[in-house]
Amino acid sequence: GDSVTQMEGPVTLSEEAFLTINCTYTATGYPSLFWYVQYPGEGLQLLLKATKADDKGSNKGFEATYRKETTSFHLEKGSVQVSDSAVYFCALSGMNTGFQKLVFGTGTRLLVSP
Amino acid sequence: DAGVTQSPTHLIKTRGQQVTLRCSPKSGHDTVSWYQQALGQGPQFIFQYYEEEERQRGNFPDRFSGHQFPNYSSELNVNALLLGDSALYLCASSLGAGGLRDTEAFFGQGTRLTVV
Repeated sequence: GDSVTQMEGPVTLSEEAFLTINCTYTATGYPSLFWYVQYPGEGLQLLLKATKADDKGSNKGFEATYRKETTSFHLEKGSVQVSDSAVYFCALSGMNTGFQKLVFGTGTRLLVSP
Repeated sequence: DAGVTQSPTHLIKTRGQQVTLRCSPKSGHDTVSWYQQALGQGPQFIFQYYEEEERQRGNFPDRFSGHQFPNYSSELNVNALLLGDSALYLCASSLGAGGLRDTEAFFGQGTRLTVV
């Protein structure tokens, strides 16, 4: 079945450092790919998405490119802020059903210090 | 505009009991999905409701059941609670045709269920 693998955390960075959180997936065909963020005590918020190969999703300085050849969707940000501290989830929605069923990775906690 | 609202926010139940969790979707949304998030894990899909019917189900036992009302709100029921059912239960709403696969799903803050 479909699955998502994320790098384990926590990822600890200083403010203004470069961020990469790795995500790879296994799925049939061409799934849609997402990054969700979960701040403490809150639900998940969509950060960005990409629906086909070579698409780049971007939002709030975060970017991720849909790489079909490496089945990856790594999250990057050039300069992190303390307010970016949260748990980040990579997810996919497969094409073998006619509707959205999100399959999530285990999440990566990001801690940014001043 | 109210987003997805869930109630209650926290709940403590005893093994063997039954529980009902509630979800009101974002205004204008017609599709509700439920997810279980165990501590330190990613959310796991339980089931999705559209037009008051269960569209698809994840790998959860029949103890987990649901309902969608004509106003699109939804309930998740869990019978015969086990310690392993302790988790954050998330409701997500989306729009259209049962939720197209690249549709944005809006999540509520969740209900923290503790089974003792």
